[in-house]
Amino acid sequence: DTEVTQTPKHLVMGMTNKKSLKCEQHMGHRAMYWYKQKAKKPPELMFVYSYEKLSINESVPSRFSPECPNSSLLNLHLHALQPEDSALYLCASSQGTSNNEQFFGPGTRLTVL
Amino acid sequence: RKEVEQDPGPFNVPEGATVAFNCTYSNSASQSFFWYRQDCRKEPKLLMSVYSSGNEDGRFTAQLNRASQYISLLIRDSKLSDSATYLCVSRNTDKLIFGTGTRLQVFP
Repeated sequence: DTEVTQTPKHLVMGMTNKKSLKCEQHMGHRAMYWYKQKAKKPPELMFVYSYEKLSINESVPSRFSPECPNSSLLNLHLHALQPEDSALYLCASSQGTSNNEQFFGPGTRLTVL
Repeated sequence: RKEVEQDPGPFNVPEGATVAFNCTYSNSASQSFFWYRQDCRKEPKLLMSVYSSGNEDGRFTAQLNRASQYISLLIRDSKLSDSATYLCVSRNTDKLIFGTGTRLQVFP
């Protein structure tokens, strides 16, 4: 099983809502990532978890809050987002954090109204 | 200057053509390199890793020149299904650094 799954596929939320994005992998990978991708731009790294601990936060605003409940799951909690946060949110995993390929989930397309 | 630079294209080529994409990177500490392809409104999918000795996977050949900090991807006998954006990617410990991507359109 070489798949990273993400739910939901699409999400529309207002600026006062609280929602969560979910990511799961069963490849035994020990590193998981959140990326944000705007149209016609490459993915931008947001957070890295290594062995269930947050190792990188790329100066992401606190309205995005990551959580890694176990080695297979990664959540992204959203609160008080802005319309400019509308984007494709991609989760990825890799075996480790050095030199290994990353495998991406299908993403959650988020629209903030 | 961007850390990974690519020609954004688009490259419009007929079926059966050979097309080459180039990429340069500025961080000499980068440890590994990859090509990903991304279809419209889909996630990036790993196409191949890139090694200094060069590597081939079917119609695709990737090369890395560490001295020049240059990466290439050659696609032979292009198919309609090769139409996509090709992302050149470097890795430095935890981080993947993406180029802006090169758009390829293969026409009949």
